[in-house]
Amino acid sequence: SYVLTQPPSVSVAPGQTATITCAGNDIGGKSVHWYQQKPGQAPALVVYDDSDRPSGIPERFSGSNSGNTATLTISRVEAGDEADYFCQVWDTNSGHPHYVFGTGTQVTVL
Amino acid sequence: EVQLVESGGGSAQPGESLRLSCAGSGVSVSDYNMNWVRQAPGKGLEWVSVMHSGGRTYFADSVKGRFTINRHNSKNTLYLQMNSLRTEDTAVYYCARALYDSAGMDIWGQGTTVAVSS
Repeated sequence: SYVLTQPPSVSVAPGQTATITCAGNDIGGKSVHWYQQKPGQAPALVVYDDSDRPSGIPERFSGSNSGNTATLTISRVEAGDEADYFCQVWDTNSGHPHYVFGTGTQVTVL
Repeated sequence: EVQLVESGGGSAQPGESLRLSCAGSGVSVSDYNMNWVRQAPGKGLEWVSVMHSGGRTYFADSVKGRFTINRHNSKNTLYLQMNSLRTEDTAVYYCARALYDSAGMDIWGQGTTVAVSS
């Protein structure tokens, strides 16, 4: 089955840039979505279709996708960005369509 | 206000059944692809199942043959029937909307907790 691998943790100082990667075989050929999940809350969509932002999501959140790696970039990090982040794709190559989530990355704001 | 509200979670023993509900408010569960996603304690997100607006359904391998998904259009409610429960099904279960095949999930419920133990 399709596997998406993320770094377990990323630490960043306030005002700096956090970069979260999502590695998968030829992920550049798929649409990647990113979710933010704060403790005790449901996930929230922050980037969809590789690089689009839902209404209300700050421009500080951006995404890219090419080759075997998709990336979520959080610019000018704020304390409120501290959360778990998950990438996601819809995989149709295995014969039965299904969503796949990445392993998740915990972002810590120093 | 647009929201999804899950209910039906609780405790069960291995082999027992539970039915989860996801009621839509301000959003029609029959007009979109509606998903169930779960999260075991301290773990990541795991997609469970989807019912497309046209009625097609898909399941994760981990629940295939044990779980079914359906909806009641007039009640605007999505269901997840969980049979032959296992301890590894213990999780918070979320329902979430996707606008189309392969889309991101833009509306999520608050989740309902299922605990399976002997």
